[in-house]
Amino acid sequence: ELKVEQNPLFLSMQEGKNYTIYCNYSTTSDRLYWYRQDPGKSLESLFVLLSNGAVKQEGRLMASLDTKARLSTLHITAAVHDLSATYFCAVDMDSSYKLIFGSGTRLLVRP
Amino acid sequence: NAGVTQTPKFRVLKTGQSMTLLCAQDMNHEYMYWYRQDPGMGLRLIHYSVGEGTTAKGEVPDGYNVSRLKKQNFLLGLESAAPSQTSVYFCASSRLAGGGYEQYFGPGTRLTVT
Repeated sequence: ELKVEQNPLFLSMQEGKNYTIYCNYSTTSDRLYWYRQDPGKSLESLFVLLSNGAVKQEGRLMASLDTKARLSTLHITAAVHDLSATYFCAVDMDSSYKLIFGSGTRLLVRP
Repeated sequence: NAGVTQTPKFRVLKTGQSMTLLCAQDMNHEYMYWYRQDPGMGLRLIHYSVGEGTTAKGEVPDGYNVSRLKKQNFLLGLESAAPSQTSVYFCASSRLAGGGYEQYFGPGTRLTVT
């Protein structure tokens, strides 16, 4: 059974600091997705990582994928309040069209 | 281009009542999904469809039924609602693009069963 674990589950950080969110998964997969969810809102796609070593960057966020370690990271650089949200990673189930989601990391950026 | 839309946005049901949630997408996507999201948890797949006229069970299908009579629509039914079905329901759609199946989500339906 494919399991996806994120850590930390909650992260409170100061503006201007850097931090990394980790996403570990239990079976072989080379496709991983990151989503953002604001409170009371839907999920918005952030990054699609489709191969080992893939790296994507958008603004202060950078995501990477290591399929051999079954690990993806979402790195936050010089955090700002607008990044406060819940971040989910999701992995293809059996390299198919079905995704298994992690529990999410709730990020709070304090002034 | 509205993307993925869901109807209704909010609903309150009494135990034992039935209802249908409607999901519509205008992106000509083959795949459609229904998820539920409970507080502090990720999304759990209820049912999904790989094309018009086909449906399949996901991780938590009990108490729900689905139908996909048209490619653009995916309906989720609750035949006899239970308090355990209080949740936020999200519909999503996807297609194979660039080697992946990026899913696009609707705005959600907040359902309370009393």
